[in-house]
Amino acid sequence: SQQGEEDPQALSIQEGENATMNCSYKTSINNLQWYRQNSGRGLVHLILIRSNEREKHSGRLRVTLDTSKKSSSLLITASRAADTASYFCAQDMNRDDKIIFGNGTRVHILP
Amino acid sequence: EPEVTQTPSHQVTQMGQEVILRCVPISNHLYFYWYRQILGQKVEFLVSFYNNEISEKSEIFDDQFSVERPDGSNFTLKIRSTKLEDSAMYFCASSEVQGNSPLHFGNGTRLTVT
Repeated sequence: SQQGEEDPQALSIQEGENATMNCSYKTSINNLQWYRQNSGRGLVHLILIRSNEREKHSGRLRVTLDTSKKSSSLLITASRAADTASYFCAQDMNRDDKIIFGNGTRVHILP
Repeated sequence: EPEVTQTPSHQVTQMGQEVILRCVPISNHLYFYWYRQILGQKVEFLVSFYNNEISEKSEIFDDQFSVERPDGSNFTLKIRSTKLEDSAMYFCASSEVQGNSPLHFGNGTRLTVT
């Protein structure tokens, strides 16, 4: 399977704490993307990191990419109750016209 | 901000019936996708479409599935003879270019096959 894996599967933390989730993938990539999904809604793109980049920031989000380990992490700093959602990493492969999603991490921020 | 729209939001159908799920991608986007998500589970790639033809498809996208861009704005997914296991959320997405371009998703159609 080309599908990536996120860990943990689920995460509950107090508001104000940082939330970290990881993604591992199996094949070479063009870029790695992170998406957020609120319950019953479509996925919303958060951040894209290219294969030649190692770190990227967007507001309270920080993404790292280690292509030698085929892994990425998403850090949400100073979490808020509104950050409660599922977060998915997605691999944009080099040779195929498809973007493959991982299994997701369900994040619950406790107020 | 332009968005991808999907209709209907919920479709209930009987096993064996044909369904057509509709999507209007963002107008200047060239690449179109369908994904499926069985309740609370992973988001599965079905098919990508560019230049009026399928560019990639997954094992899930068998002969029961077809896609079409009948005019300049709509992008449809047809399931010819639905099965119980086709019950899922179906998401349409579009992107401006291939590679290094994020996907923009619609809010999905919940398909229930009874």
